[in-house]
Amino acid sequence: QKEVEQNSGPLSVPEGAIASLNCTYSDRGSQSFFWYRQYSGKSPELIMFIYSNGDKEDGRFTAQLNKASQYVSLLIRDSQPSDSATYLCAVNIWGATNKLIFGTGTLLAVQP
Amino acid sequence: DAGVIQSPRHEVTEMGQEVTLRCKPISGHNSLFWYRQTMMRGLELLIYFNNNVPIDDSGMPEDRFSAKMPNASFSTLKIQPSEPRDSAVYFCASSPSRTEEEKLFFGSGTQLSVL
Repeated sequence: QKEVEQNSGPLSVPEGAIASLNCTYSDRGSQSFFWYRQYSGKSPELIMFIYSNGDKEDGRFTAQLNKASQYVSLLIRDSQPSDSATYLCAVNIWGATNKLIFGTGTLLAVQP
Repeated sequence: DAGVIQSPRHEVTEMGQEVTLRCKPISGHNSLFWYRQTMMRGLELLIYFNNNVPIDDSGMPEDRFSAKMPNASFSTLKIQPSEPRDSAVYFCASSPSRTEEEKLFFGSGTQLSVL
């Protein structure tokens, strides 16, 4: 089992719809969870982080965390074509060093 | 600030040659990370430094890979000898402090092709 799993997609949604991106992780001791966005040919950039169970909202983005189910998600409201990118879930692996483990990413395509 | 600066942007080399990738982190950032990205394996952490000291190198694939950070503003990742399976995008990232180590700022990456 991979430490961080994501559906590779592509996830295709129409402009204006809600895009829902999901991620599961295997380490129950994980404390910190991150969503990075990566445009094709570019480097990843941090868009959201969440530490506690529940929802965290930032503009059109909402991160959701359920530690009991080892599940973290990212919702993008009012999706725009400019949101088309690969979304990487990253999880801190509990241990002596802070090590971020990334999923392989979900490709989101927002159709105009 | 110019962000994390990596060089070269692209490197094409032949199997068996030595490859050196370079990184300048954001000024004031204490932690530096080297990642490798491929379609099959995604982003993999190779090694990370805190205050110029290597903290975790468990991701370095084998002895052909080595990394140094001689000072706070410069790091290198060296592959000697290179092999075709080393072809990937290599990212350097830095983070502001020990308490914010997971908030990574990535460089533009080096696209390495080993023929």
